[in-house]
Amino acid sequence: AQSVTQPDIHITVSEGASLELRCNYSYGATPYLFWYVQSPGQGLQLLLKYFSGDTLVQGIKGFEAEFKRSQSSFNLRKPSVHWSDAAEYFCAVGAMEGSARQLTFGSGTQLTVLP
Amino acid sequence: DAMVIQNPRYQVTQFGKPVTLSCSQTLNHNVMYWYQQKSSQAPKLLFHYYDKDFNNEADTPDNFQSRRPNTSFCFLDIRSPGLGDAAMYLCATSRDAADTQYFGPGTRLTVL
Repeated sequence: AQSVTQPDIHITVSEGASLELRCNYSYGATPYLFWYVQSPGQGLQLLLKYFSGDTLVQGIKGFEAEFKRSQSSFNLRKPSVHWSDAAEYFCAVGAMEGSARQLTFGSGTQLTVLP
Repeated sequence: DAMVIQNPRYQVTQFGKPVTLSCSQTLNHNVMYWYQQKSSQAPKLLFHYYDKDFNNEADTPDNFQSRRPNTSFCFLDIRSPGLGDAAMYLCATSRDAADTQYFGPGTRLTVL
């Protein structure tokens, strides 16, 4: 069975600083990987996804992620954080189970942005 | 334009009183999902519909049921809510089985 680990429960950065959120996955086949963001009381918004091809993936809001098969990682990065980026970030791996691709989420990383 | 809509956004029910949560979509997607997300936890899949084909997760309690009367709508019924069922319930859709899932804003359920 697939699993996702987000080692950092909570990260605090200053506005304008760079950001990297870590994600490690376990999956027997080629993974489908996702990053979602969730603001308080809201649903999940897709930031970016990796299915195949270029291992550096660009997403919305200036985020990017790099798939590293050798490290089983899919870390999320942003060169300069904005106060509006404060939210919870979930990494997920998708695996076909029956009639749909089932997402297994990590436990999330809460991002605080200091002014 | 809203694509995955959930109503109500906040629902309060009493212990043991049945409650229904609603999800609708304007994307004409084939697959609809229901997730449960408890406080400070990751979303957990309860079940999904591929068209009219219902697929239940093995560990989803019998207390949770779902209906999909047409392509656009999907309902989550909780027959006898317990205090442990208080959570955010997220609906998601995908065009097809292998496609990206798009989430609604969620319904926050409180059980008194």
